Amino acid sequence: GQNIDQPTEMTATEGAIVQINCTYQTSGFNGLFWYQQHAGEAPTFLSYNVLDGLEEKGRFSSFLSRSKGYSYLLLKELQMKDSASYLCAVRPHGNYGGATNKLIFGTGTLLAVQP
Amino acid sequence: ETGVTQTPRHLVMGMTNKKSLKCEQHLGHNAMYWYKQSAKKPLELMFVYSLEERVENNSVPSRFSPECPNSSHLFLHLHTLQPEDSALYLCASSRKSPNRVPRNEQFFGPGTRLTVL
Repeated sequence: GQNIDQPTEMTATEGAIVQINCTYQTSGFNGLFWYQQHAGEAPTFLSYNVLDGLEEKGRFSSFLSRSKGYSYLLLKELQMKDSASYLCAVRPHGNYGGATNKLIFGTGTLLAVQP
Repeated sequence: ETGVTQTPRHLVMGMTNKKSLKCEQHLGHNAMYWYKQSAKKPLELMFVYSLEERVENNSVPSRFSPECPNSSHLFLHLHTLQPEDSALYLCASSRKSPNRVPRNEQFFGPGTRLTVL
């Protein structure tokens, strides 16, 4: 089967750093994505990892270890507007015609940033 | 502005009603997706259309019927739904394959909040 695990909820303080973990077991691997979703809004793309290591983009960084089936999203200098759900998604190998763009999602981690 | 729009944003319907959800993308993509998002559950992929051809149907009940008349528009026709079908229905689009553009992220619309009474 295919499975993505991430914590359901996390709480952090404004100005602090928070790390959201994601572990996955999928039939193949062709990239891992993090999306941010504010309540009542569309998920928006945050980061993409396909090779092991850290990808940094401003206050947000994402790490991948393919051998461990593990990723994390690191948010620095937290702001109140960072309160949202963070979705981890894996693109496994496709079943038809080579690589596809199908994604398998975790349940999302609801992050609450407190003053 | 994500470039993917969905209408209506909210819909309340009875179990005997027939309604349709509409999605439109302005990004020049050629693959479109319907997802169901329920509380505390992962996004569930319902249908995938690539170049207007349905390429995936994840065992979705026949009371959900998708239609993709062209690469910019996607519909989800609803009939005789059940209360457990109440959820947020999200549409997304992307290029067909990540082969030439490895990242090839999906772009999501804001969703339709559906309540079945």
